[in-house]
Amino acid sequence: DAGVIQSPRHEVTEMGQEVTLRCKPISGHNSLFWYRQTMMRGLELLIYFNNNVPIDDSGMPEDRFSAKMPNASFSTLKIQPSEPRDSAVYFCASTHRRINNRGEQFFGPGTRLTVL
Amino acid sequence: AQTVTQSQPEMSVQEAETVTLSCTYDTSENNYYLFWYKQPPSRQMILVIRQEAYKQQNATENRFSVNFQKAAKSFSLKISDSQLGDTAMYFCAFTLQGAQKLVFGQGTRLTINP
Repeated sequence: DAGVIQSPRHEVTEMGQEVTLRCKPISGHNSLFWYRQTMMRGLELLIYFNNNVPIDDSGMPEDRFSAKMPNASFSTLKIQPSEPRDSAVYFCASTHRRINNRGEQFFGPGTRLTVL
Repeated sequence: AQTVTQSQPEMSVQEAETVTLSCTYDTSENNYYLFWYKQPPSRQMILVIRQEAYKQQNATENRFSVNFQKAAKSFSLKISDSQLGDTAMYFCAFTLQGAQKLVFGQGTRLTINP
């Protein structure tokens, strides 16, 4: 079975540009999570969805960040406009909320974002 | 709020040695889960081992085992017969039963030397 798929794996952009990160969760999973990893702050949960509905977006840094999950097999994290301090690795993770009630999450390979 | 602390930023051992990574956490809840994730240079986050707080028996997975001390809120990872492929960042993580948020520690960078 394919794991969580993220694209692109690497993204380099200039300050002020719009960036869109994409995630395909594991088939059958109904919870999806977006994390950001930086040296200074470690791994932070940005937002998560249950059954395509955003449940908690308290970790989203500011209004420049937005996330959507239009269907069970696709989610996007958008940054507009991007800033150099947004440079980080962004992870998507998924799980089945009821079947996997032991809390385990399955991570994608991450997208390394560099904003110049 | 729950917190997870890993007090060892870096560790280094020789191949085949045993190494123990430390993790402490803070919660007032009684039912929760603890995890160790491995992040090799490829960046992939890989689950190494999990522990349910209601289980007294320490979890083991091949060369990996934990020492779970609930009263002390301690959850250390022991890697026996360490291998070069164990070189990675190791993250301790916590989640409450029924919740979905994973809280991560800051990580320990482990290097296995030949």
